Amino acid sequence: EADIYQTPRYLVIGTGKKITLECSQTMGHDKMYWYQQDPGMELHLIHYSYGVNSTEKGDLSSESTVSRIRTEHFPLTLESARPSHTSQYLCASSASGRLYTQYFGPGTRLTVL
Amino acid sequence: GDSVTQMEGPVTLSEEAFLTINCTYTATGYPSLFWYVQYPGEGLQLLLKATKADDKGSNKGFEATYRKETTSFHLEKGSVQVSDSAVYFCALSPSGAGSYQLTFGKGTKLSVIP
Repeated sequence: EADIYQTPRYLVIGTGKKITLECSQTMGHDKMYWYQQDPGMELHLIHYSYGVNSTEKGDLSSESTVSRIRTEHFPLTLESARPSHTSQYLCASSASGRLYTQYFGPGTRLTVL
Repeated sequence: GDSVTQMEGPVTLSEEAFLTINCTYTATGYPSLFWYVQYPGEGLQLLLKATKADDKGSNKGFEATYRKETTSFHLEKGSVQVSDSAVYFCALSPSGAGSYQLTFGKGTKLSVIP
């Protein structure tokens, strides 16, 4: 069973606040990802990291930022939350190798009022 | 670029009915293919996978066969249960070295009624 954790699970916050969504994994995976899931369920890759001190933007432009200082930790930060940031955020990780299986956390549902 | 197309939902079935969710892909070479499932309020879970042509992935009564000639990876289950109600995503990972990103379909919501 995959061990990847996200906190908080639910967050309701006012416009303009700074927020950090936490993601940690205990599997020693070098690759980690952040997805945004819209109400229609479609998944959009917004950030990924292939190792410590390596981060890249994904296919969907996002105002969020990420950092990867430790292998197991991949937090996502919004400096000033807006209602357009309301969404479900999913974190995932994978090891290197042919199968590229990604393991997902339970998600954080963010609502910005 | 790579893409995945899966049948649009929602799909509503009665318990014990046969399930098919169609998935076709566009990619060069021999990508790996996956089905993920997302239960309400949860993240995605890997349901099954196949890494080469004619491979059959199976798990929890679900099956899918990697068909290179039709570029398809259709998900099937012979008898669905209420507990199978979820959103199902087809995905591919390219065969080229150095690319670890998944390309997902848009998801198909399945509702199974008693």
